[in-house]
Amino acid sequence: KNQVEQSPQSLIILEGKNCTLQCNYTVSPFSNLRWYKQDTGRGPVSLTIMTFSENTKSNGRYTATLDADTKQSSLHITASQLSDSASYICVVSDRGSTLGRLYFGRGTQLTVWP
Amino acid sequence: EADIYQTPRYLVIGTGKKITLECSQTMGHDKMYWYQQDPGMELHLIHYSYGVNSTEKGDLSSESTVSRIRTEHFPLTLESARPSHTSQYLCASSGEKGFNNEQYFGPGTRLTVT
Repeated sequence: KNQVEQSPQSLIILEGKNCTLQCNYTVSPFSNLRWYKQDTGRGPVSLTIMTFSENTKSNGRYTATLDADTKQSSLHITASQLSDSASYICVVSDRGSTLGRLYFGRGTQLTVWP
Repeated sequence: EADIYQTPRYLVIGTGKKITLECSQTMGHDKMYWYQQDPGMELHLIHYSYGVNSTEKGDLSSESTVSRIRTEHFPLTLESARPSHTSQYLCASSGEKGFNNEQYFGPGTRLTVT
């Protein structure tokens, strides 16, 4: 069964601190992995996308890593800001259909306190 | 920010009413999607479309229906709303061929059925 598991479920950090979010998946055959940021009451917005051959991708203060052998990914946020408070969703796409089906994790709810 | 729009953003209605959630995109994308998301849970695909006059049911069974008469428009209709339909509904579109299909999400419609 294709699944995406994220941890922790929620996280509270102080402004300026770093944090790392985890994602484990069992989706096969693997196509790509994305991290999305979803603000409360809004739709998800893509942060990074990685294919099988990529093991790291940065977008400003966000750095994602991918280990395709262990089927694990992480999202590292550096020098957190209040605006980073959101749900971060790991999404894995398979190559098994022309639709490119997406499998969503439940997200990690990050809260940044001043 | 992606050019995909949803209306209304919030809707509170009584049981038994017929409702239509609107979704429009101005990117000329062929593929469009409807997802349902409950608080703290993953997104579930309920409908998708490859193009005009093409509609398919997604992974999660839904009593809603969709239509795709124009490329840019993908409305979702509930003939008789029930409290179990209370949820957030997210529309998305994708224009890329192949497996690295970036999906762009609208802001969502928060539906409450009393």
